[in-house]
Amino acid sequence: NAGVTQTPKFQVLKTGQSMTLQCAQDMNHEYMSWYRQDPGMGLRLIHYSVGAGITDQGEVPNGYNVSRSTTEDFPLRLLSAAPSQTSVYFCASHKQANTEAFFGQGTRLTVV
Amino acid sequence: KNQVEQSPQSLIILEGKNCTLQCNYTVSPFSNLRWYKQDTGRGPVSLTIMTFSENTKSNGRYTATLDADTKQSSLHITASQLSDSASYICVVSAPWVNTGFQKLVFGTGTRLLVSP
Repeated sequence: NAGVTQTPKFQVLKTGQSMTLQCAQDMNHEYMSWYRQDPGMGLRLIHYSVGAGITDQGEVPNGYNVSRSTTEDFPLRLLSAAPSQTSVYFCASHKQANTEAFFGQGTRLTVV
Repeated sequence: KNQVEQSPQSLIILEGKNCTLQCNYTVSPFSNLRWYKQDTGRGPVSLTIMTFSENTKSNGRYTATLDADTKQSSLHITASQLSDSASYICVVSAPWVNTGFQKLVFGTGTRLLVSP
């Protein structure tokens, strides 16, 4: 069982570069979301999706875009990387709104 | 001020000993309260989920309690093992801005080190 798979695990970007963080789940979950984890702070919601074709903003969406063309995939795009986006990013999926959330292994992103 | 506060920030205990981690929250309304374990360099893994009507829930050596009136929860770890060394995160699930989505509000975690 793969669960939630994130790639890459580590990434270094230069300011202004763009990139896509990949997230895939094989549990047929409708709900998927992206969080960032910064030192001294709890995980914060960036964007979420309640099903294929449906996405919405979380509490810290600026500088990020998402799409959900399939149930399985939920990529996160950084349009023009900034040092403030240095963080660890986690993708999560869950079957229904209130059920257990399964997290990926995380992507550690450094923007220099 | 965080809506989910955890204490202590860090804790060192000897292998085999018990410990209790605390969580206070101000999130309201809330749907459920969860405890996650996060190993270094890994994603959080769910330990327990409790609705407001549940007072206690166990998962092996982990027992979580919830007092919805005082908005407090605790996670008790019995007979600790070296593999329990990790961060333990209290998470409250709450409705998100008139949508059908449940946002997870995370505490900053308690970092537990179990020493031989």
